[in-house]
Amino acid sequence: DIQMTQSPSTLSASVGDRVTITCRASQSISSSLAWYQQKPGKAPKVVIYKASSLKSGVPSRFSGSGSGTEFTLTISSLQPDDFATYYCQQYKSYPFTFGPGTKVDIK
Amino acid sequence: EVQLVESGGGLVQPGGSLRLSCAASGFTFSDHYMDWVRQAPGKGLEWVGRIRNKANSYTTEYAASVKGRFTISRDDSQNSLYLQMSSLEIEDTAVYYCTRGTGTPPFDYWGQGTLVTVSS
Repeated sequence: DIQMTQSPSTLSASVGDRVTITCRASQSISSSLAWYQQKPGKAPKVVIYKASSLKSGVPSRFSGSGSGTEFTLTISSLQPDDFATYYCQQYKSYPFTFGPGTKVDIK
Repeated sequence: EVQLVESGGGLVQPGGSLRLSCAASGFTFSDHYMDWVRQAPGKGLEWVGRIRNKANSYTTEYAASVKGRFTISRDDSQNSLYLQMSSLEIEDTAVYYCTRGTGTPPFDYWGQGTLVTVSS
């Protein structure tokens, strides 16, 4: 199975900050990576797919990069609605696997 | 508007069985692969399994943690997805989500989730 790791596990930031979350895969997954935002009690929402493609309707302050084994999610200017937990997921091979999550909270 | 609505969750004893359903609307259900993802209380997301469409013979994939105990099926005439769970363990306690596995992007639509609690 492909193992996914994320860092940091928690990130404290202020509105307007630039935020970067890293996700690593235990083997190459090409660009078969998605990023999800999840708020408490709600289903996850995909924000980035294919490593760097922004889902329609997601603000352009979100961006993704990387390929192979190392990926990043960047929020260029953190907004109040962005405080949430973010997960990466590989969908290159079965079983699909998620990273453990990064909680972005208010500094 | 795409909607996925799960039902069937509840309290079940260890070793018991439960069947979850997911009612889909707003898209051509039969065209798409469908997945189940779960989340234990306070924990991260875990992919449970997938069922492909008729064109791909309704074949399935499962996580190792549920293989042999859980069965995913679908009824395209009813636009419904199912998760039959048996030999339930305390570790299966989670919110179970159905999600549309194919699309642009994949996993673009999720249900609201249904809580399964395995406890004596």
